[in-house]
Order: sequence, then structure tokens, then C-alpha cells
Amino acid sequence: QVQLQESGPGLVKPSETLSLTCTVSGGYISSSAYYWGWIRQPPGKGLEWIGSVYYTGTLFYNPSLKSRVIISVDMSKNQFSLKLNSVTAADTAVYYCTRVWDYWGQGTLVTVSS
Amino acid sequence: QAGLTQPPSVSKDLGQTATLTCTGNSNNVGDQGAVWLQQLQGHPPKLLSSRNDERPSGMSERFSASRSGNTASLTITGLQPEDEADYYCSAWDSSLGNQVFGGGTKLTVL
Repeated sequence: QVQLQESGPGLVKPSETLSLTCTVSGGYISSSAYYWGWIRQPPGKGLEWIGSVYYTGTLFYNPSLKSRVIISVDMSKNQFSLKLNSVTAADTAVYYCTRVWDYWGQGTLVTVSS
Repeated sequence: QAGLTQPPSVSKDLGQTATLTCTGNSNNVGDQGAVWLQQLQGHPPKLLSSRNDERPSGMSERFSASRSGNTASLTITGLQPEDEADYYCSAWDSSLGNQVFGGGTKLTVL
């Protein structure tokens, strides 16, 4: 059973960088043809795709966030990470990592506030 | 801003059938198909149907997905109280280079 777990700070100051890591267990990021992605959901609102990484390392980003987002993979730790810079209050959301789309982490709330 | 169009809410009686729709265009739903996700309050989304309309292993047969042209549909038969949730569709948009979502449909079982 594949499991994903998000980790990272729950509070980020405006203009700073949001950094989250997704740790995968029960399967290997590198071993099979899956996409691994980040999705976010502002409080009370719908889902927004942030970006995905294919098992080969190929990256795909939401065009509206592309200038601020970096997704990276650490195969040795079986983790993939999200960095979103220059955050504002509009980036306050629950951030989910997913093995697109069949396995999901529980989500982590990140609040942008001074 | 949602890329796909879903009705904001649908209400049906217990035991009835609900059909949720998701309308896109020829660059997304019409081209790639759509996935359907169920999100119970306070929980992460759960995959109901992949973009080729297949149910994940173990998923109830009460949920079935289909597509006609640029519209994807999710049909839920024999509605149960536990089916009350938000339902989202999503598709890859080859023109935008973006994974677009619908705004979600809140299903209420009366």
C-alpha cells in the first residue's frame, strides 16, 4: 500500500518561500510509470494543480504558478518536494501530494501571514 | 478560476440516482478524458474514476463514469448518506499545458 506524507512549516511569512516535502512509502518514485504531483486547496474553495513530476524526472507546472514554483525529487530518500516563492495570503491553502491520482497524502495547511 | 464547468450543487433523495456533469472542450475532456475525485469533508480527495472511465480496484460499482464529446459524467446509483461529498473532475488541457479542474459539485443526499 503506497502512502504519502506531507511535511513542512505550517506558517510562512509573506514574500518568503513555502517549502514542503512529500515522503513516499510502500513504493518507489523511480520504479514505475507514475506521475507525482502537488495540489492545493484554499480554505472553502476548490482544487488547484500546482505541478507534477514524472518518474523519469520530467517536470510539468501550472502556467499560472510556473514562475514561482520548483518541484524536485530526491530518489535516494524517496521524496519529492515543492518550493513556492514570493508567497502572499492567496497562497494560504491545504497542500496535498499525490501519486496522480490514486494515492494522496492527508494534506497540510500552510498559512501565509506575518 | 475553474477550467471545467460543474454544477455547484446537486440534491437527490436517498436511494435515487445522481448524475454529475463536467463540461470542458476539445482540448481537455474531449481529448484526454477526465478523472473524477470524491472529497469528504475534512479529507483528501479520493479517486473514483480514471480518465479512461475505469474504477480503481475496490471502488463500489455504484459509481460509474462516462464521456460524450466534451462532457464527462459521473453516475452514482442507490445514493447513500455517505455519498454526501464534494465531487471534482479534472482533465489535462493540451492547449493550455495545464491540469484543469472543475469547481466541484456538492452532492446532498436528502
